[in-house]
Amino acid sequence: EIVLTQSPGTLSLSPGERATLSCRASPSISSGYLAWYQQKPGQAPRLLIYDASSRATGIPDRFSGSGSGTDFTLAISRLEPEDFAVYYCQQYNSSPTTFGQGTRLEIK
Amino acid sequence: QVTLKESGPALVKPTQTLTLTCTFSGFSLSTVGMHVSWVRQAPGKALECLARIDWDDDKFYSASLKTRLTISKDTSKNQVVLTVTDMEPEDTGTYYCARMVGKYAYYMDVWGKGTTVTVSS
Repeated sequence: EIVLTQSPGTLSLSPGERATLSCRASPSISSGYLAWYQQKPGQAPRLLIYDASSRATGIPDRFSGSGSGTDFTLAISRLEPEDFAVYYCQQYNSSPTTFGQGTRLEIK
Repeated sequence: QVTLKESGPALVKPTQTLTLTCTFSGFSLSTVGMHVSWVRQAPGKALECLARIDWDDDKFYSASLKTRLTISKDTSKNQVVLTVTDMEPEDTGTYYCARMVGKYAYYMDVWGKGTTVTVSS
């Protein structure tokens, strides 16, 4: 089973700043089959990024994904008030699919 | 427009069997390359994929819960059903169903709103 470790656990930033969220895989995800989801309180997760760097339909271009192997990153270039939420990475390179423990992005 | 909606009891007693139904629209689970998964989230915790069923009726289960899970589909009704036997308080949480798509491997592109299940006597 591939274990995903997300860091930091909580990230405190202000609107307009840049956010960088990390997801580390062990063992590596050679295929790049990694997705990022956003979850707001009381809501279902929403797909942001798939295949490590492809934005899902309707996702603003301030969201970008990158990385390969063991290290993946979700970047949000200029934080909007609606971006403060919990973010999860997920690998679907091998079964079972697994999720990271999440990064909480909070307003500073 | 693709939508999914979960339904089932909000409260179950320990040792009982939970049956959840995912009713979807906007796609067919008989179409090649379509899959539906159930994902669970305990209060304040991360997401956990429980089971997946594929367009060709292949099924996959969480290793830790495999003996307690059964997933099935009714293509004519556009429904996927998950049963979880021998429910425990630790099974309390929100249960989501999600469509999975992808060329060679599958991510969850559309999710239902979830249904909350509490296990308590």
